[in-house]
Amino acid sequence: ETGVTQSPTHLIKTRGQQVTLRCSSQSGHNTVSWYQQALGQGPQFIFQYYREEENGRGNFPPRFSGLQFPNYSSELNVNALELDDSALYLCASSFSRGAGELFFGEGSRLTVL
Amino acid sequence: SQQGEEDPQALSIQEGENATMNCSYKTSINNLQWYRQNSGRGLVHLILIRSNEREKHSGRLRVTLDTSKKSSSLLITASRAADTASYFCATDARGAQKLVFGQGTRLTINP
Repeated sequence: ETGVTQSPTHLIKTRGQQVTLRCSSQSGHNTVSWYQQALGQGPQFIFQYYREEENGRGNFPPRFSGLQFPNYSSELNVNALELDDSALYLCASSFSRGAGELFFGEGSRLTVL
Repeated sequence: SQQGEEDPQALSIQEGENATMNCSYKTSINNLQWYRQNSGRGLVHLILIRSNEREKHSGRLRVTLDTSKKSSSLLITASRAADTASYFCATDARGAQKLVFGQGTRLTINP
């Protein structure tokens, strides 16, 4: 186990709704990255937070937003859900910003109907 | 967009045999990493190889990197049923915040 926990593990939403996913990083890690993994695909980078500030963003629209809190936990918010947002959302923490070794949680599986 | 491409997409072998997976990428990299994922769960880091390294070992894992060919291979020796999983390569460019993952190889070890 990596020590990274995500909630909820599964959820179902309807198109147009909003969702918040949560992540607690491993102790001692100050950086959190979020990835989206569609079925049968590799994870795609959404954004990274380092010490409560966004530190890089992938090719995702502004309706994907995030927060990092002083204890380095994080949230991913998605507004105006679309069917294509159905995916496994993975949170990963690391010792420092950048793209070194990542410690992943088990993911939150979102289904949009 | 995916940078890496794993080959093969799926691999099925008998327990005890060796499994080799390949990864190709398109742009210059800083590091290349391999991760394992069981049944759509979280990814587990296996090994990281830097762009100035050519080979690295960790237990039953052996990774090679050929930057001139922009390719890497992961060898799992003496495979076990517990090695059944999807394996992903991931690359990062110097100064980048993100890892770019391939689409993965689905490895099945038959008892």
